[in-house]
Amino acid sequence: DQQVKQNSPSLSVQEGRISILNCDYTNSMFDYFLWYKKYPAEGPTFLISISSIKDKNEDGRFTVFLNKSAKHLSLHIVPSQPGDSAVYFCAASVRDDKIIFGKGTRLHILP
Amino acid sequence: EPEVTQTPSHQVTQMGQEVILRCVPISNHLYFYWYRQILGQKVEFLVSFYNNEISEKSEIFDDQFSVERPDGSNFTLKIRSTKLEDSAMYFCASSEAPPRGSLSGASDTQYFGPGTRLTVL
Repeated sequence: DQQVKQNSPSLSVQEGRISILNCDYTNSMFDYFLWYKKYPAEGPTFLISISSIKDKNEDGRFTVFLNKSAKHLSLHIVPSQPGDSAVYFCAASVRDDKIIFGKGTRLHILP
Repeated sequence: EPEVTQTPSHQVTQMGQEVILRCVPISNHLYFYWYRQILGQKVEFLVSFYNNEISEKSEIFDDQFSVERPDGSNFTLKIRSTKLEDSAMYFCASSEAPPRGSLSGASDTQYFGPGTRLTVL
C-alpha cells in the first residue's frame, strides 16, 4: 500500500533553472508533510516541511506547495545548484511519530 | 553541528545470527527511531522509542527485533535471528520533541544518522 507516491524516479534540470519535484498521497488523514534530501552513503537530511493548514512554505531556495484537494505536494528549488543533485524523499505523517516515505526522486543538476 | 552517528557502517552476517546495530542520537534529543531501506525501495519506519519504552512499531518490527537504550547515549537495534530479507540500510533518527506535540517550541524534526548497511548471507 503506497500511501506516498513519487512517480518520477529521476529528473534532470539545468543548473540555474527551477527544479520541481512532485509527490502524491492517498491518506487524507496525513496532516504533516516533509521533504528529505539524501546523498549517497548518508542518511536522509530534513529539508523543509509543511502543515496541512498551510498551502505554501518557503525557506530560501526551497518552497513546498500543498494542494489538499488534489492530495498533491511539490518541492520547488530555484535556482538549482550542482549541490542539489541528490535523492529527494517526500514524506508524510498523521498524528503520531512515524514518517511514511515515498520511494524518492533522483535529481540531477546538469552543468 | 551535532549529528546522529551509527556503527558499524557495514555489517555482514550469516543467516540466523544475531546482530546489534548501534546509534548515538543527538545528546539533548528524547525521541528515537529506527528506519530501514531495502535496496531500491522506500525508507520504512520500524519503531519509535521514548522514555525507555517503545512508542510505536510497524508490522515489520516483529519478535525478532528489539530496541534498547542501554546507557545515556546509545540506542541499539537487535535482530535476534537474521533472515536474508533483513538485508537493508538501517537508519537511526532522533528528535527533540514528538511530532507537533511540543508546547515548548522544541523541534520535532527527525535527524537521521548515516545508516548501517546490513548484509545477510
